Amino acid sequence: AQSVTQPDIHITVSEGASLELRCNYSYGATPYLFWYVQSPGQGLQLLLKYFSGDTLVQGIKGFEAEFKRSQSSFNLRKPSVHWSDAAEYFCAVGMTGGGNKLTFGTGTQLKVEL
Amino acid sequence: AAGVIQSPRHLIKEKRETATLKCYPIPRHDTVYWYQQGPGQDPQFLISFYEKMQSDKGSIPDRFSAQQFSDYHSELNMSSLELGDSALYFCASSLGAGTGREKLFFGSGTQLSVL
Repeated sequence: AQSVTQPDIHITVSEGASLELRCNYSYGATPYLFWYVQSPGQGLQLLLKYFSGDTLVQGIKGFEAEFKRSQSSFNLRKPSVHWSDAAEYFCAVGMTGGGNKLTFGTGTQLKVEL
Repeated sequence: AAGVIQSPRHLIKEKRETATLKCYPIPRHDTVYWYQQGPGQDPQFLISFYEKMQSDKGSIPDRFSAQQFSDYHSELNMSSLELGDSALYFCASSLGAGTGREKLFFGSGTQLSVL
């Protein structure tokens, strides 16, 4: 069965600083990988996804993520964080071949200091 | 643009009561997914439906049942509620589910509190 680990429960960064949120996955084949963001009281919004091809994927709101097969990682990055980025971020893995059933990590709560 | 609509937004029930959560997918979306997110927890997949048939099943308790109707809306029925059922229940929809690459659109969730 697939699993996702997000080692950092909480991260605090200053506005304008760079950000990297870590995600490691376990899956028997090349997975489908996702990053979602959740603001308080809101649903999950897709930031970006990786299915195949270029291992560096660009998403919305200036986020990007890099798939590294050798490290089983899919870390999320942003060069300059904005106060509005404060939210909870979930990494998720989906099974190839259909179904769209996602397994989520436990999330990383991002706090942005002004 | 229309999004996934969930009702009610908040629901308070007592132990051993029943609850029904509703999900209205984006128009033309034929696949619906239910997730449960406990306090401070990651969302856990419960069940999904494609074209009114159950397509996948996750960690859904036997006390819960769900179905998808002819207009593609879905209902999650929860009986004999327990305190541990208190959670945010998300619904998501997609157009198809055959490849696993279909984009999921999530609703804002129903916050269920069991007292």
